[in-house]
Amino acid sequence: GQSLEQPSEVTAVEGAIVQINCTYQTSGFYGLSWYQQHDGGAPTFLSYNALDGLEETGRFSSFLSRSDSYGYLLLQELQMKDSASYFCAVSPSSGGSYIPTFGRGTSLIVHP
Amino acid sequence: NAGVTQTPKFRVLKTGQSMTLLCAQDMNHEYMYWYRQDPGMGLRLIHYSVGEGTTAKGEVPDGYNVSRLKKQNFLLGLESAAPSQTSVYFCASSKRQATYEQYFGPGTRLTVT
Repeated sequence: GQSLEQPSEVTAVEGAIVQINCTYQTSGFYGLSWYQQHDGGAPTFLSYNALDGLEETGRFSSFLSRSDSYGYLLLQELQMKDSASYFCAVSPSSGGSYIPTFGRGTSLIVHP
Repeated sequence: NAGVTQTPKFRVLKTGQSMTLLCAQDMNHEYMYWYRQDPGMGLRLIHYSVGEGTTAKGEVPDGYNVSRLKKQNFLLGLESAAPSQTSVYFCASSKRQATYEQYFGPGTRLTVT
């Protein structure tokens, strides 16, 4: 099966940089995705890493290292509106299943 | 495009009652999913479908049934609601070639008393 670990909460100040880590235990997977969810809202897709390395999308970057079973989401120039929960997810490759498994999420609190 | 829509947005049921949650998507996606989200538990997959007429069990399927009679619709049924099914339910869809990018509906908040 798949298991993903994320910190439950991270706090930072406006304008700072914050990194949200995701470690996983899975026998194989296609890639690592990140989703954002504001309170009372629906999850929205942020980024995807199919290969090792850094993917950059504006203020957000995501990194994957398969050899370390580790990934992270990097948020730069933090804004108050970035306060939300962030979920990592893997799409397993064993058995031909493409169904993602989500971590329990990290609550990011941005202070002024 | 409306994306993914869910009906209803809120519902209160008494134990033992039944109901159906409707999910619709207008993006012609092959894959559709039903998740439940409980505090501190993240998103847990209930059932999913890889195409019209097909369904499969996810991580927590007990107490739920689903149907995908049309490609754009995915129904989630609770035959006999229990308080443990109090949760927020999200429907999602994705392209077959890009299951890593799911599009979520706004959610249904269900309370079972």
